[in-house]
Amino acid sequence: DTAVSQTPKYLVTQMGNDKSIKCEQNLGHDTMYWYKQDSKKFLKIMFSYNNKELIINETVPNRFSPKSPDKAHLNLHINSLELGDSAVYFCASSPGQGFTDTQYFGPGTRLTVL
Amino acid sequence: SQQGEEDPQALSIQEGENATMNCSYKTSINNLQWYRQNSGRGLVHLILIRSNEREKHSGRLRVTLDTSKKSSSLLITASRAADTASYFCATSRFTGNQFYFGTGTSLTVIP
Repeated sequence: DTAVSQTPKYLVTQMGNDKSIKCEQNLGHDTMYWYKQDSKKFLKIMFSYNNKELIINETVPNRFSPKSPDKAHLNLHINSLELGDSAVYFCASSPGQGFTDTQYFGPGTRLTVL
Repeated sequence: SQQGEEDPQALSIQEGENATMNCSYKTSINNLQWYRQNSGRGLVHLILIRSNEREKHSGRLRVTLDTSKKSSSLLITASRAADTASYFCATSRFTGNQFYFGTGTSLTVIP
């Protein structure tokens, strides 16, 4: 069974569109995260949710909005997609709050904006 | 940027040799973690070392932490072709909930 799953795996879309990426974890973890990895492999945290509450929101454009319907799911919605949004987006989860322990990563969603 | 830096950026070794990667960071931290990323995959946690620890081992992995120099190293002994991957350090600082990945080292182990 996949611990952290993301859908879709690949997403190709036109500039200006709105899209969502879904993430689910079956580990019973309290905290979930979204990361962006650019073409140079730089990884940057975007959001962190603990028990459905946002605890980190780095300097991410407000076109990006995380939505957590329950603590097993953290979806990422992106409005008005731009070329610079092209990247691989990773979801992750961890048992505790903050960054005190291991994070478990999903397989990633490769977003290409044309 | 507070992102850590790793060196070398790329490392190529023969199977059986040891591989050493270094991570330097800028601010005080609470812990440092190392992750591995195989091509086209998500990250896998390898080891966590706390700021009051100096060395940790896990199988063929040895991690050191020198908080006075703000640096860490990851040593993989007796490397295998399956160790080919990118390796990232990640630092966390509880004040302000700060968490940053390093720039990564791409390791190639030649069979």
